[in-house]
Amino acid sequence: KAGVTQTPRYLIKTRGQQVTLSCSPISGHRSVSWYQQTPGQGLQFLFEYFSETQRNKGNFPGRFSGRQFSNSRSEMNVSTLELGDSALYLCASSLGGTNNEQFFGPGTRLTVL
Amino acid sequence: GEDVEQSLFLSVREGDSSVINCTYTDSSSTYLYWYKQEPGAGLQLLTYIFSNMDMKQDQRLTVLLNKKDKHLSLRIADTQTGDSAIYFCAEIWAAGNKLTFGGGTRVLVKP
Repeated sequence: KAGVTQTPRYLIKTRGQQVTLSCSPISGHRSVSWYQQTPGQGLQFLFEYFSETQRNKGNFPGRFSGRQFSNSRSEMNVSTLELGDSALYLCASSLGGTNNEQFFGPGTRLTVL
Repeated sequence: GEDVEQSLFLSVREGDSSVINCTYTDSSSTYLYWYKQEPGAGLQLLTYIFSNMDMKQDQRLTVLLNKKDKHLSLRIADTQTGDSAIYFCAEIWAAGNKLTFGGGTRVLVKP
């Protein structure tokens, strides 16, 4: 079974631009969660999508948004990029049920110049 | 509130046992997880324990949970150089699918 895939793996943008990251979950998984990892703040939860609906949301500004498609693939968008948005963005997929065992992709490394 | 804490660094000799500790504050946590992250990689799920269990063993890994003290530990037996990585503990609530992570413990295995 293929694992969680994320594209692109690396991205360089400049302040003020916007960016879209993509995540394809494990086949059969309906939940996709996004996390931001930085040296200063560690791993922080952004949001979770389940069956095309946002089910949970972390404490990030509205510049961070996401969506999920009918095939469970998810995209995350960051508008008006700031230097502090430089991070590793990880997505995790799960069945979405009680166990909540989440499997992570390799991440997208975003650098904002 | 939710807070998960770990020590920053652990150095261990190859062949010895490693013990990584974690404390959490949310008593409503249902599952507690251990993830491993190698340089430049995502998070690899190592093991997890349900909150009504005290111990779980999985090959070289042993997880101990003390619910009274809200303390979780991961013991790695016969530590190998390939075990050098950052280890994260994480908790999840019954109400949602959001993982709250500790800051990570960097484990360095010396030959």
